[in-house]
Amino acid sequence: EVQLVESGGGLVQPGGSLRLSCAASGFTFSDSWMDWVRRAPGKGLEWVANIKPDGSEKSYVDSVKGRFTISRDNAKNSLYLQMTSLRAEDMAVYYCTRTLDDWGQGTLVTVSS
Amino acid sequence: DIQMTQSPSSLSASVGDRVTITCRASQGIGNYLSWLQQKPGKAPKALIYGASNLQSGVPSKFSGSGSGTDFTLTISGLQPEDFAIYYCLQYNSYPRTFGQGTKVEIK
Repeated sequence: EVQLVESGGGLVQPGGSLRLSCAASGFTFSDSWMDWVRRAPGKGLEWVANIKPDGSEKSYVDSVKGRFTISRDNAKNSLYLQMTSLRAEDMAVYYCTRTLDDWGQGTLVTVSS
Repeated sequence: DIQMTQSPSSLSASVGDRVTITCRASQGIGNYLSWLQQKPGKAPKALIYGASNLQSGVPSKFSGSGSGTDFTLTISGLQPEDFAIYYCLQYNSYPRTFGQGTKVEIK
């Protein structure tokens, strides 16, 4: 059974940083594209970023380019999202997904002073 | 960016009804389209990929069709557990983009 467990969310001030983690199990992580998707309060789903199985290719939505970095550690079956220069509009539940087919339960990021 | 427009934004239906949700892409995406379901406080669940292929374990009351720019999700025999928000998602190009969602409510 595919399991994706996010962690690292919390309250951060505008301009601050946060690192999200996703622990994966139940599938061959090193063979899978991985994505981050978010849902802001009262809004719909928004794709944030993804990364190729070997980590050699990464893509981002324009609104996070230069501020967020997606990475992975295949030895640890883990996916990460380093978020810097956080803004109020980044506040959301962040989901880790395997190829947008399997989803974690999400971790809440609150950006507020 | 490819814009995905869903209609309707919300609908009211009764248990047992058949409902159809449409999704239009601002440019052709082949069949690189998924449908997802999200219930309050829960993670999204993928229902359909490749426009018409059921994800493993998804009941056959869900069906998808379309290609190019116009797509539909049909739910036959609506049950209480089907009341949720449904999203389409294009994965033909970057950035991946979702429709705004269709909220299916109980009449």
